[in-house]
Amino acid sequence: TQLLEQSPQFLSIQEGENLTVYCNSSSVFSSLQWYRQEPGEGPVLLVTVVTGGEVKKLKRLTFQFGDARKDSSLHITAAQPGDTGLYLCAGSSNTGKLIFGQGTTLQVKP
Amino acid sequence: NAGVTQTPKFQVLKTGQSMTLQCAQDMNHNSMYWYRQDPGMGLRLIYYSASEGTTDKGEVPNGYNVSRLNKREFSLRLESAAPSQTSVYFCASTLGGRAYYGYTFGSGTRLTVV
Repeated sequence: TQLLEQSPQFLSIQEGENLTVYCNSSSVFSSLQWYRQEPGEGPVLLVTVVTGGEVKKLKRLTFQFGDARKDSSLHITAAQPGDTGLYLCAGSSNTGKLIFGQGTTLQVKP
Repeated sequence: NAGVTQTPKFQVLKTGQSMTLQCAQDMNHNSMYWYRQDPGMGLRLIYYSASEGTTDKGEVPNGYNVSRLNKREFSLRLESAAPSQTSVYFCASTLGGRAYYGYTFGSGTRLTVV
């Protein structure tokens, strides 16, 4: 069974701080995605990474896929209250379906 | 462009009652999915339909049935609701069978079984 472990589960920081969320597995994934979910809404796709070692940037968000395609990280620079939400990583399994991590709840205080 | 539409948004059921959650997408996507989301457990796949006319079990299918009515619509049925089925249910769709394309999610149905 392929599993994805996210850490930390909860993060509360002040506006302007930097943070990193980790997504780890013992399994290899063909691709990995990050989603952001706001209360009362469904997850929204932020990025897909496919190649080992790949780095993608989305404004203040930087996503990295591990060289062995078993892990990924999300780094936010100078966090803002609008970044508050639940961040989910999801890996494309060997059956083609997405497997989700438990999520990281981020709270950014003004 | 509505994307993925789920109805109802909220529902309260008594134990033993049945109901159907509706999902429709207007993006001409081939694959559709039903997930449930519980605190601390992420999203767990209940059933999926890789293409029109096919359905398969996911990680937690017990107590549920699905129907892929046509390419646009994928419904989830609870035949005899139990308190353990209290959850938030999400429908999602994607262009093809490969998850690389990314999923588009509906806004969810919050179900409480008392």
